[in-house]
Amino acid sequence: EAGVVQSPRYKIIEKKQPVAFWCNPISGHNTLYWYLQNLGQGPELLIRYENEEAVDDSQLPKDRFSAERLKGVDSTLKIQPAELGDSAVYLCASSTSGDYNEQFFGPGTRLTVL
Amino acid sequence: KQEVTQIPAALSVPEGENLVLNCSFTDSAIYNLQWFRQDPGKGLTSLLLIQSSQREQTSGRLNASLDKSSGRSTLYIAASQPGDSATYLCAVLGYQGKLIFGTGTRLQVFP
Repeated sequence: EAGVVQSPRYKIIEKKQPVAFWCNPISGHNTLYWYLQNLGQGPELLIRYENEEAVDDSQLPKDRFSAERLKGVDSTLKIQPAELGDSAVYLCASSTSGDYNEQFFGPGTRLTVL
Repeated sequence: KQEVTQIPAALSVPEGENLVLNCSFTDSAIYNLQWFRQDPGKGLTSLLLIQSSQREQTSGRLNASLDKSSGRSTLYIAASQPGDSATYLCAVLGYQGKLIFGTGTRLQVFP
């Protein structure tokens, strides 16, 4: 069974440029999460989807970050414009529906903003 | 607000040693606790998941314990190997359905 797929794995951009990350969850997983991991820190939740609906986006900086999961499968996380402080690893995870099911993580996208 | 702390932040040991990694959390109202491994440049691999009603879980050379009342968990690694070198993250799942991570313990096992 394929795991969570993310692309690109690495991205280098200049500040003020837009960037987008893509995630394909494990087949059959209706719940999808985006996490931000700063260097030397644990991941922090940005947004959680149940199918197409964002059920928790309280930690998403909505002035520059946006996310979508239009068909309830793949998801895209976008930053526009990127700032130096956005350099981090962006992790996607998925689980079966519900609040308390085990989450499975993708390899992440490492973003560097110059 | 739930806070998760991991001690030590870094650990370097010779091969063959038995190790204990510590995790503490401030709110004992958790649904489960999970230990992850993260290799450089890689995602998170789940090692062990302990439900709140359980005291411990074992997988191979790994054993994780949970004392929910005191807000503590330990990950025991027996007979460490260089391949165990990685960052180990502890995370608790609260009843709000949110997974809260510690900052990790970076482990290096040298031959």
